[in-house]
Amino acid sequence: GAVVSQHPSWVICKSGTSVKIECRSLDFQATTMFWYRQFPKQSLMLMATSNEGSKATYEQGVEKDKFLINHASLTLSTLTVTSAHPEDSSFYICSAPVESGEQFFGPGTRLTVL
Amino acid sequence: QQPVQSPQAVILREGEDAVINCSSSKALYSVHWYRQKHGEAPVFLMILLKGGEQKGHDKISASFNEKKQQSSLYLTASQLSYSGTYFCGTDLQGAQKLVFGQGTRLTINP
Repeated sequence: GAVVSQHPSWVICKSGTSVKIECRSLDFQATTMFWYRQFPKQSLMLMATSNEGSKATYEQGVEKDKFLINHASLTLSTLTVTSAHPEDSSFYICSAPVESGEQFFGPGTRLTVL
Repeated sequence: QQPVQSPQAVILREGEDAVINCSSSKALYSVHWYRQKHGEAPVFLMILLKGGEQKGHDKISASFNEKKQQSSLYLTASQLSYSGTYFCGTDLQGAQKLVFGQGTRLTINP
């Protein structure tokens, strides 16, 4: 299957700081990537769709000014959590679909805000 | 609309079979199945497209009943490595935007 990487794997930051998470498709190009958030023992919740060359589309209830998404190239999307607070602590996962429709997930980034 | 998975949890002995169901209230374009182990990202298992499909790989197979908007995942002769939480993800429009069920926790004991 296709390979999607994320960096960093985990991050601990102080409340009020911003954190950037990178998502890369390593062996294929992805015009679209998706960002999910998962709280402990819960399901994956779609946050936004990242579109190469255009603005991201956000799901209802997700603040676009707080979760900045930039799809800089066909292999890279970044999610920046601005002014992070403890309630933003979560497991953030990106995914990218391939031509056949299968969707592959990155390994995830665990964010802890103190 | 989040699809509904059943059961929420199941405990098996190694070698037993399991069925996990995923039901949607809306018409589906495709259904995706994933397995997630604790602290890790979901791993793709298979995708089923509208038109009704059945697929299988090794001892894991799945079916998609388009009319009933339901999909089932079948695990045959379960192995210890099958333990984890299984999620179905539904795509309503073919836009590859997945809405996931609440998950089914599968525990396989020796």
